[in-house]
Amino acid sequence: DQQVKQNSPSLSVQEGRISILNCDYTNSMFDYFLWYKKYPAEGPTFLISISSIKDKNEDGRFTVFLNKSAKHLSLHIVPSQPGDSAVYFCAASARETSGSRLTFGEGTQLTVNP
Amino acid sequence: EPEVTQTPSHQVTQMGQEVILRCVPISNHLYFYWYRQILGQKVEFLVSFYNNEISEKSEIFDDQFSVERPDGSNFTLKIRSTKLEDSAMYFCASSVFYEQYFGPGTRLTVT
Repeated sequence: DQQVKQNSPSLSVQEGRISILNCDYTNSMFDYFLWYKKYPAEGPTFLISISSIKDKNEDGRFTVFLNKSAKHLSLHIVPSQPGDSAVYFCAASARETSGSRLTFGEGTQLTVNP
Repeated sequence: EPEVTQTPSHQVTQMGQEVILRCVPISNHLYFYWYRQILGQKVEFLVSFYNNEISEKSEIFDDQFSVERPDGSNFTLKIRSTKLEDSAMYFCASSVFYEQYFGPGTRLTVT
């Protein structure tokens, strides 16, 4: 199942710099996208989402960009902090109705170095 | 802040045994889900539940699996006869609309 793909298994950035995590999808029915952060031995924590009618959504240090024509989304974290070090998952939903399944990417391990 | 809780945190069982994984979703949420993550693999959808019935299930969710909301707070996943390949982290989630909130997971180990 390659409908949602995160091509970078890991990313390392310096504290204070920008982290950019990328995600590609293939299913044209996806119209809602979410980013989750996951620490070891914990469940995924919801970070930010975006509907396909938008191309940008911002929440504090986190901004998600959506390029529908390229079927690509990215999460920008600025400034990055050591506490941001975690695995980041991109997920997508085809919202025929509320309660639709999420399809996840493989995850990207972000390491923010002090 | 309200959160999804799951018990137990770790369950060890022998192949062929039945297991029940328990979840308490966030109280005002309407939709409930189970996902699993086999070590080294993606988080995979199993089933969604709304208004006391299954609303969607994946091909993984075969006759060995069942879900139930036995009372107003708990949401359970039962695996009738566990297989070695059922070993995974099982995550419960709940939502009001589209953003799903996940519990900490139950690590199921089948020996």
